[in-house]
Amino acid sequence: ILNVEQSPQSLHVQEGDSTNFTCSFPSSNFYALHWYRWETAKSPEALFVMTLNGDEKKKGRISATLNTKEGYSYLYIKGSQPEDSATYLCASPRSAGNMLTFGGGTRLMVKP
Amino acid sequence: KAGVTQTPRYLIKTRGQQVTLSCSPISGHRSVSWYQQTPGQGLQFLFEYFSETQRNKGNFPGRFSGRQFSNSRSEMNVSTLELGDSALYLCASSLESGPDTQYFGPGTRLTVL
Repeated sequence: ILNVEQSPQSLHVQEGDSTNFTCSFPSSNFYALHWYRWETAKSPEALFVMTLNGDEKKKGRISATLNTKEGYSYLYIKGSQPEDSATYLCASPRSAGNMLTFGGGTRLMVKP
Repeated sequence: KAGVTQTPRYLIKTRGQQVTLSCSPISGHRSVSWYQQTPGQGLQFLFEYFSETQRNKGNFPGRFSGRQFSNSRSEMNVSTLELGDSALYLCASSLESGPDTQYFGPGTRLTVL
């Protein structure tokens, strides 16, 4: 993996469903993995910054895991709500500093 | 605490002109990064400034430049605008220069005609 990649590109779920998506990143020279939520007409909102292999972070119904050895992170949303509809972005810096390389995002749509 | 602010929010320019965008970070934040978002390329890193010094630069032509002032406010400048420069320009601030949570502003929507 040379770039940061996310799958799927888009996802439609029903309210109450749990869902997850994947972020793949280069496992060499790893510094950190960021997750953001970007709602239409708003600014990207930081969810997690993860730095350690095996890291698990949780914020309400959203959680994330990190595997730096194989170069992937999962984002889970438990009991999706319509307000969870947004584009979820992951990003990884390729050097020390804040030079983030973003994935293409996963667009989540939750139907009531 | 006030969030990241960007001015102007919308801008229309013609090809060949130049433009300056401004970003005021969260109080106390010393790092400011700039990103360009286009439908085809997604979010791409432009540059990062930390304590008035450019720390990192993305793969953009020299027409894109920036600077940071002693109060951490940052400006980016694009000279000789091209149609392809039409994009949403986001800035983000953080306390330190990575790995650190970045807080994004609302962006400046630039349209080049």
